[in-house]
Amino acid sequence: AQSVTQPDIHITVSEGASLELRCNYSYGATPYLFWYVQSPGQGLQLLLKYFSGDTLVQGIKGFEAEFKRSQSSFNLRKPSVHWSDAAEYFCAVGAGSNDYKLSFGAGTTVTVRA
Amino acid sequence: ETGVTQSPTHLIKTRGQQVTLRCSSQSGHNTVSWYQQALGQGPQFIFQYYREEENGRGNFPPRFSGLQFPNYSSELNVNALELDDSALYLCASSFRPVTEAFFGQGTRLTVV
Repeated sequence: AQSVTQPDIHITVSEGASLELRCNYSYGATPYLFWYVQSPGQGLQLLLKYFSGDTLVQGIKGFEAEFKRSQSSFNLRKPSVHWSDAAEYFCAVGAGSNDYKLSFGAGTTVTVRA
Repeated sequence: ETGVTQSPTHLIKTRGQQVTLRCSSQSGHNTVSWYQQALGQGPQFIFQYYREEENGRGNFPPRFSGLQFPNYSSELNVNALELDDSALYLCASSFRPVTEAFFGQGTRLTVV
């Protein structure tokens, strides 16, 4: 069964600074990988996804993520953080095109300071 | 094109009662998945419905059950509510073979 680890529970970053959120997954084959963002009391919004091909994927809101098979990682990055990026971020792994079950990490809370 | 909508947004139930949560999938999607998100945790997969049949289930007891209708909307039913069932319940829809799931805003269930 697949699983996800997000090592950082909480990250504080200054507005305008860069941000990197870590995600490590466990799955025997090539996984489908996702990053979602959740604002307080809201549902999940898809930021980006990786299925195959180019290991650097671009998403919405200026986010990007890089798939590194050798490290079983899919870290999320943003070059310059805006105050509106304060939220909770979840990494998720899916087992393939016939299995829509997503396994989520515990999430990383991002606080942006002025 | 409408997104995933869930109802109600909030509700409070008493331990031992039963509850039904509803979800309308995004236009063109035929698969609905339900997740439970306890406070401070990531979502946990409950089950998935594809073309009106259950297509996978997570580690949840049988008192969690569901339905999918011909228009691909879905219900989640929980019987004999327990205090630990208090959580945000998220519905997600998707279209095979594409795997990206789009989530609704969730239903906040409080069991007292």
